[in-house]
Amino acid sequence: GAGVSQTPSNKVTEKGKYVELRCDPISGHTALYWYRQSLGQGPEFLIYFQGTGAADDSGLPNDRFFAVRPEGSVSTLKIQRTERGDSAVYLCASSLVGDPDEDNEQFFGPGTRLTVL
Amino acid sequence: KQEVTQIPAALSVPEGENLVLNCSFTDSAIYNLQWFRQDPGKGLTSLLLIQSSQREQTSGRLNASLDKSSGRSTLYIAASQPGDSATYLCAVTGGVMDSSYKLIFGSGTRLLVRP
Repeated sequence: GAGVSQTPSNKVTEKGKYVELRCDPISGHTALYWYRQSLGQGPEFLIYFQGTGAADDSGLPNDRFFAVRPEGSVSTLKIQRTERGDSAVYLCASSLVGDPDEDNEQFFGPGTRLTVL
Repeated sequence: KQEVTQIPAALSVPEGENLVLNCSFTDSAIYNLQWFRQDPGKGLTSLLLIQSSQREQTSGRLNASLDKSSGRSTLYIAASQPGDSATYLCAVTGGVMDSSYKLIFGSGTRLLVRP
């Protein structure tokens, strides 16, 4: 089937506004990840879901960031009171499982480019 | 804390040349290493994944090697083509202080293959 999809592809918002970014993982993938990529840098880990639960949210920069995956498939990354420094490309990835002893190759979506004015 | 470095940051070669991209990581206790390709304004495409027990993986004109003990990986591209122009990212999972699932990326090598 289809790969990882993300919507919207671009989001422009004003400082202080609330945004939601959506990720549809590959069907059947139990593990889902969010990363953030700034210009000229590699992606940085934000959060990892195994099923419905956030197994590791240690990469979220502060409490304005929150992510959910209520049914173990689609995930939404939510950013409150956006700041200019939040501008980046937000990438979502999924893998069959999260266990490195099994198949945890990560497949990435096209990303959402967030611009905070 | 695991750190990943990619050298060179940018590379320009004429079409047809064989080339090597380098990746190094500070903590050899990795679970696996992945090479990705990223086209401008696009997401990441997985090229090759090497498990920590493996020495190399091949896909078409691409060959990735892993020397875990020295903390190095190379991506070899044979007979380069203009369509290979992109940014190549190396990422590892694991390390003594890092998790088994979190990819830690280098900053990438921007490759330009000139016709």
